[in-house]
Parts: sequence; structure tokens; C-alpha cells
Amino acid sequence: EDQVTQSPEALRLQEGESSSLNCSYTVSGLRGLFWYRQDPGKGPEFLFTLYSAGEEKEKERLKATLTKKESFLHITAPKPEDSATYLCAVQAGETSGSRLTFGEGTQLTVNP
Amino acid sequence: SAVISQKPSRDICQRGTSLTIQCQVDSQVTMMFWYRQQPGQSLTLIATANQGSEATYESGFVIDKFPISRPNLTFSTLTVSNMSPEDSSIYLCSVTQSMGRAQFFGPGTRLTVL
Repeated sequence: EDQVTQSPEALRLQEGESSSLNCSYTVSGLRGLFWYRQDPGKGPEFLFTLYSAGEEKEKERLKATLTKKESFLHITAPKPEDSATYLCAVQAGETSGSRLTFGEGTQLTVNP
Repeated sequence: SAVISQKPSRDICQRGTSLTIQCQVDSQVTMMFWYRQQPGQSLTLIATANQGSEATYESGFVIDKFPISRPNLTFSTLTVSNMSPEDSSIYLCSVTQSMGRAQFFGPGTRLTVL
């Protein structure tokens, strides 16, 4: 069974204080790993897709990396508007179809 | 990416009734999905909506409780039948053009069952 574990559950940062969020996964045949941002009362907003170990993607203050067992979302010099829940999801092999298996998310708060 | 809308955005319903949620996409998409997000939890896939045929349900979800229609490549409905308070959740549709590519989500429907 595909499993995704995110840590920490919650993270409080001061504006400008860089940090990383972790997503550990156990799947049979990773097809893709996805990062989303979710604001309260809204649907998840797509951020990145990573397909193979060693791959990195960047967008503004965010950088996602992937190894064979985990992914990190690095946040550099965060701003209060980066406050949200960050979700990690995996799509596994043929038998899983297009199902995304989500982690429980990391709730990030950035204080001014 | 596609623009996805859902109706209604929220509703409060009585126990034992049914609610149909609509998902409309502004362009043709290959695959559409329905997810549930219970309070304080992450997303769980309910089913894949197949155009012109029966939906494919995940373990723990059945057609009698969550009938789904997908009459064309831009529209799908999810019905939550015979509702109970345990069905109070956010229901989200998502779309993608192919397996392995990112899914894009609608804004969600917040359902409260009294």
C-alpha cells in the first residue's frame, strides 16, 4: 500500500527564516511526486511535479527536491503570504491508476 | 491549466437527503476525479469519473452512496446520497490530461450535514 508521511505537522517561522518541509514516501514504482499549496477554504493549488531521484524544481521562494525515499520543499526567506498548508502526493505504478495518495500536510505559518 | 468551477460552493443539508455537486471545466480534459477532504484531514480519492461509462470507485466507496456521472469531457457530477453527519466534508473535483501529470483541483464544495 502506498504511504506518504509529511513532517512536521505544523511549522511556525519568522519572516525571512528559511526552513524545509519533508515528505517521506513508500510506493511500488513511483510515477510522480506532487507538491500542492492549500489555503483555508480553497482547493489545492499545484506547485511542482518531480519524477526521478535527483530532480529539482524552483518557483520563487520554493524549491522542491526528490530522492528515492523522500522529497523536501525548501522555503527560502519566507513571507507571511507563504502561510498555508503544503501537501505532498504520490502517484504510483500501473495498478494504482491515476490515484494520488496524499500526506496529511504541513501547516506553515510565517509571522511578520 | 484548466479553469475548474464547482457548484454549489457550500451547502447545509438535513440527514437522509441527497446533494448533487457539479464540476465544470473550461476545456476538454481526459481524466476527472472526485476527492473528499474530511475536517482537519488530507484528501482521499472517492472515484475516477469515466466519460460514457460507470465510474471507478476506490476501496471503501460505493456507487449507491456516491453516484457519479460524466456525460462529456468537460462536466461531471457527484451525488452524496442518504447523507449523515459523517458525510460533512469538502468535496473536490480534479482534472488531468494524462496519467503521471499533475492534477488540478476545483475550489471545492463544503458540505455540512445536520
